[in-house]
Amino acid sequence: QSVLTQPPSVSAAPGQKVTISCSGSSSNIGNNYVSWYQQLPGTAPKLLIYDNNKRPSGIPDRFSGSKSGTSGTLGIAGLQTGDEADYYCGTWDSSLSWVFGGGTKLTVL
Amino acid sequence: QVQLQESGPGLVKPSETLSLTCAVSDYSIRSGCYWGWVRQPPGKGLEWIGSIYHSGSPYYNPSLKSRVTILVDTSKNQFSLRLSSVTAADMAIYYCVRHLNVWFYFDYWGQGTLVTVSS
Repeated sequence: QSVLTQPPSVSAAPGQKVTISCSGSSSNIGNNYVSWYQQLPGTAPKLLIYDNNKRPSGIPDRFSGSKSGTSGTLGIAGLQTGDEADYYCGTWDSSLSWVFGGGTKLTVL
Repeated sequence: QVQLQESGPGLVKPSETLSLTCAVSDYSIRSGCYWGWVRQPPGKGLEWIGSIYHSGSPYYNPSLKSRVTILVDTSKNQFSLRLSSVTAADMAIYYCVRHLNVWFYFDYWGQGTLVTVSS
């Protein structure tokens, strides 16, 4: 059971937009930044979004992030087949521990 | 571009100690940042194990704290993980990671190394 809650899976057609939610509490998301990681099949996770809504160099602006209260959201616009991956949210928790969501599998139909 | 590379035995017997090393390239550990470990059981999600500053005390996941030791070797520009009394539940891909501060995002990841626990 993960501390942060994500939907197990989402799907959408190429070109469409999808959002992935990440629900936490005041002990974690409510008082800390959310980051998002993309894990393509068979590879290591890669930083996708940091500090709730910032993109590292090289990440297309099709990827966006937001935070409201104790929840974070990842948005992916203009879906491509290459976006099929597992997506994880993470943040620091007041228990002095990093916590992650259980991951969301994105399928581009 | 910072590079992280895990190494260590791919097979550990139950009740024994898992030991992994992460070699850091193109960045001096002495320059700062936190260095840590994240694991992922096959087909499951991510779990943070712990992180350490080059000259400070480590932070450990409370659920693993009694069995984990993370150390830094600045002379070799590497850091290590020791996890004692392993069971089948510790079988996972182990990733070494970097973050600017313990509560900051993980900006660099190693490629990961699979550790199997079996007699």
